[in-house]
Amino acid sequence: KAGVTQTPRYLIKTRGQQVTLSCSPISGHRSVSWYQQTPGQGLQFLFEYFSETQRNKGNFPGRFSGRQFSNSRSEMNVSTLELGDSALYLCASMRRETQYFGPGTRLLVL
Amino acid sequence: QQQVKQSPQSLIVQKGGISIINCAYENTAFDYFPWYQQFPGKGPALLIAIRPDVSEKKEGRFTSSFNKSAKQFSLHIMDSQPGDSATYFCAASIDRGGSTLGRLYFGRGTQLTVWP
Repeated sequence: KAGVTQTPRYLIKTRGQQVTLSCSPISGHRSVSWYQQTPGQGLQFLFEYFSETQRNKGNFPGRFSGRQFSNSRSEMNVSTLELGDSALYLCASMRRETQYFGPGTRLLVL
Repeated sequence: QQQVKQSPQSLIVQKGGISIINCAYENTAFDYFPWYQQFPGKGPALLIAIRPDVSEKKEGRFTSSFNKSAKQFSLHIMDSQPGDSATYFCAASIDRGGSTLGRLYFGRGTQLTVWP
């Protein structure tokens, strides 16, 4: 079974731009969660989608948004990028209580 | 506020030794405690997970222990190998009525180095 895939793997943007990251979960998994990983803050939960509905949300500003499609694929969007948004963005799909992580998208904001 | 506190931040162990990582939590609603291993450039991978009704769980060289009264849990890596050198994260989540909400609260991580 293929694992969680994320595209793109690397991205460079400038302040003020917006970015969209994509995540394809493991086949059959309906839950997708997003996390931001930085050296300073560690792994922080952004939001979770289940059957196209946001089920849970972390403490991030409204510039961070997401959505899930009927095939369970998910996208997250960050508008008006700030330097502090530079991070590894991880997507995880879940079956029962186990979350399986993708390799992440490394975003650099200049 | 860090809901799961992890120590130590870094750990150096000789090959064949035992690596021990500890985590503590405050929220008694947590009832699922996984451990993840992350190599540079990769996403975290699940190693082992434990629930409060089990005091110890073993998978190969990895053992997770749980102390409900102390609100602590730990990871022991027996016979540590250089290939175990990675960052280890403890985490916790809440399972409500059998439907786990997909939110993991992570510790800050422990960077393990195993010397050959």
